[in-house]
Amino acid sequence: AQKVTQAQTEISVVEKEDVTLDCVYETRDTTYYLFWYKQPPSGELVFLIRRNSFDEQNEISGRYSWNFQKSTSSFNFTITASQVVDSAVYFCALQDYKLSFGAGTTVTVRA
Amino acid sequence: GAGVSQTPSNKVTEKGKYVELRCDPISGHTALYWYRQSLGQGPEFLIYFQGTGAADDSGLPNDRFFAVRPEGSVSTLKIQRTERGDSAVYLCASSLAPGGVENIQYFGAGTRLSVL
Repeated sequence: AQKVTQAQTEISVVEKEDVTLDCVYETRDTTYYLFWYKQPPSGELVFLIRRNSFDEQNEISGRYSWNFQKSTSSFNFTITASQVVDSAVYFCALQDYKLSFGAGTTVTVRA
Repeated sequence: GAGVSQTPSNKVTEKGKYVELRCDPISGHTALYWYRQSLGQGPEFLIYFQGTGAADDSGLPNDRFFAVRPEGSVSTLKIQRTERGDSAVYLCASSLAPGGVENIQYFGAGTRLSVL
């Protein structure tokens, strides 16, 4: 069974601070994909990033970066120089074909 | 349309009634998924279609829930004899394919179902 754990329930920061969201996953699959989605107050889930299990290279995309460590089954996500518009619930998800989501981390960025 | 469209955006019904929730996926996407999100939780998988057929309906909670996708595009989630516990946001997603590099799922805004 697939399982995703986001230990942080809420994070509150002041604008321009960096925010790192933790994600730990469990799977018996050898090939899988990991995702981060953002859910703003409007409710729509917005795709942010995707990483496949056979590529552990960490990347940066604009203000987003991620750290994938297969050895510890972790897929952490960082927002650099946070902005008020980053305030949302962030979900980590594991995919075989369907997505298994964590419980989400609510990020509040204060001006 | 450019994105996944779900209608209605809100549905209020009475316990015991029948409801239908509609999902119009992104054009050309063969895979379609339904999820349910309860307050304060992550979305939970309900059912997945590849084309017209339900490839995996293991997430449907009981036989009051049923979904169809007769022409491989629009899908309808049907709930019979609604119960107060069915109240949630029902999310639909679509992807080009269920696996591989074309597996990014794009979500609609959801239907908020309230059963009184």
